[in-house]
Amino acid sequence: GAGVSQSPSNKVTEKGKDVELRCDPISGHTALYWYRQSLGQGLEFLIYFQGNSAPDKSGLPSDRFSAERTGGSVSTLTIQRTQQEDSAVYLCASSLGSGQIYGYTFGSGTRLTVV
Amino acid sequence: GDSVTQMEGPVTLSEEAFLTINCTYTATGYPSLFWYVQYPGEGLQLLLKATKADDKGSNKGFEATYRKETTSFHLEKGSVQVSDSAVYFCALDSNYQLIWGAGTKLIIKP
Repeated sequence: GAGVSQSPSNKVTEKGKDVELRCDPISGHTALYWYRQSLGQGLEFLIYFQGNSAPDKSGLPSDRFSAERTGGSVSTLTIQRTQQEDSAVYLCASSLGSGQIYGYTFGSGTRLTVV
Repeated sequence: GDSVTQMEGPVTLSEEAFLTINCTYTATGYPSLFWYVQYPGEGLQLLLKATKADDKGSNKGFEATYRKETTSFHLEKGSVQVSDSAVYFCALDSNYQLIWGAGTKLIIKP
């Protein structure tokens, strides 16, 4: 597609429920990233996929968070047993090879509200 | 670890004023540096970048120079417009992880 597409754009869920957030990167971009932007704070790195390599999960805040990327394209971020502190905007970005050289293209994000 | 510090906002200016948003960083190695902009209700957009010392990134009248000696990447624009009102984020690329500043909200009054 023309840009990075994320769905849903907004999600309200009850505490304790599981949620799935989807990211469709730009076609041909080998790298995909998930970030979290909490209210009044900067962005927090969550996870990074590059091609077929094992993902870097070092930013995931707890084992309730997981992500997968199927076929080197679409990615799903899953949060199990959601907590109120999980409320944030979840941003996905993709890059063509090295983001250091080409920069990163961000989606519009999914605003997650846990009530 | 690596970090980015940018000036707190909001920054309020009149149209056609000169803009500087300060950004300093701490990093090992030689990261790439970025400015991203987030307009109201929109996603993050890459504004400009620099990949090595003394590089100058520029776009839409904005400029920033990668200063290794002062570990800075200040954003400047000679004459701001109301349409520049947004939140601006400074970031560095540390081994493919973007490390972000907290963001600076810019408000331009007509």
